[in-house]
Amino acid sequence: GQQVMQIPQYQHVQEGEDFTTYCNSSTTLSNIQWYKQRPGGHPVFLIQLVKSGEVKKQKRLTFQFGEAKKNSSLHITATQTTDVGTYFCAGPSSGGGADGLTFGKGTHLIIQP
Amino acid sequence: KAGVTQTPRYLIKTRGQQVTLSCSPISGHRSVSWYQQTPGQGLQFLFEYFSETQRNKGNFPGRFSGRQFSNSRSEMNVSTLELGDSALYLCASSLRGRRGDSPLHFGNGTRLTVT
Repeated sequence: GQQVMQIPQYQHVQEGEDFTTYCNSSTTLSNIQWYKQRPGGHPVFLIQLVKSGEVKKQKRLTFQFGEAKKNSSLHITATQTTDVGTYFCAGPSSGGGADGLTFGKGTHLIIQP
Repeated sequence: KAGVTQTPRYLIKTRGQQVTLSCSPISGHRSVSWYQQTPGQGLQFLFEYFSETQRNKGNFPGRFSGRQFSNSRSEMNVSTLELGDSALYLCASSLRGRRGDSPLHFGNGTRLTVT
């Protein structure tokens, strides 16, 4: 079945450093979504990318969707303590229609002040 | 607009028992999905309901079931609980277009512990 892989699993950074997480799907995706889950919280939708090669920015966060629509990345510039949490990418399951989203296992961002 | 509401927040059950979890979606959202989250397996899709019909089911045994009511509220049931069912169960609602491209809005989850 479809697989969505994320790397790295954990990332320790000093506050102020940049952070990047990568997402790769075994199949072409119609869209990719990114979510953030704070410790003890629930996943919160961040953004959706639809077009091949699309780049979107939200303040210090930059999201990219690969040309082949099989990979994506999230880059955070100058991390802050509020960025702590787990970042998940997710894409529609291979059925493409009304299937559930397949989530990557997430990247845990740990920030040292 | 009120968010997704899940009840209860915490549950402790013993092996062999059954449990029912409840989810009220965002007003106007007709799709409700359920996910199981564990440290080892991450977020795994259980099933999705749209207009009272189960549209999709993930790779879970038949002990896991659900339903959706006419007001879009949903319940999931786990029978004959096993220790491995201990997890955070998350409900998510969405507008859910045909291509499955609507963002999910998650509730706070129900933390189930099976002893």
